[in-house]
Amino acid sequence: NAGVTQTPKFQVLKTGQSMTLQCAQDMNHNSMYWYRQDPGMGLRLIYYSASEGTTDKGEVPNGYNVSRLNKREFSLRLESAAPSQTSVYFCASSESLPYRSSGNTIYFGEGSWLTVV
Amino acid sequence: RKEVEQDPGPFNVPEGATVAFNCTYSNSASQSFFWYRQDCRKEPKLLMSVYSSGNEDGRFTAQLNRASQYISLLIRDSKLSDSATYLCVVKGTRDSWGKLQFGAGTQVVVTP
Repeated sequence: NAGVTQTPKFQVLKTGQSMTLQCAQDMNHNSMYWYRQDPGMGLRLIYYSASEGTTDKGEVPNGYNVSRLNKREFSLRLESAAPSQTSVYFCASSESLPYRSSGNTIYFGEGSWLTVV
Repeated sequence: RKEVEQDPGPFNVPEGATVAFNCTYSNSASQSFFWYRQDCRKEPKLLMSVYSSGNEDGRFTAQLNRASQYISLLIRDSKLSDSATYLCVVKGTRDSWGKLQFGAGTQVVVTP
């Protein structure tokens, strides 16, 4: 009953360090997403992958890169971490993109708490 | 102006009471609306979709007011387990697909 699994759950980085957040889903979903959540703000889309082999920028892509490794896995990389990237990161997936006429519930992973000092 | 705005609360509610709160959205062309629930330090989970005619799911009732561009959530007979942050989510219309726009959430605290 795993759903969306992301690692690590907690990480402290120094400014300038790099790291990769890993995400995997076992629901055979085509679409995957990375969001960040900051106090007083709604979840904001960083990058998304409509299907295996494609990735696109979301609302706040600067400072991040992604890789859709295969249908199951979608990783998020911070090349040179900055304090402004301190946040909670959520990976999510859905059967396909939520086009206007479709439902397509989005399922979230448990979150990764990242602190950049 | 944020696309989706919510009163952050907290709404402190005695167990068994009713609580209601709204969410306003700025894009009048929005077609789909949802309420997600997020427990402390947990991931958001879909609570219910909001239909034009309003809908009910047990103790939870969601309403849509297109004229005033807001959706509402009402919780009857509140339980301690209803304590959570409720996220208003609006499916966007400006892109080729409906990117979800999340509100910052309304915190509900149910007290014994």
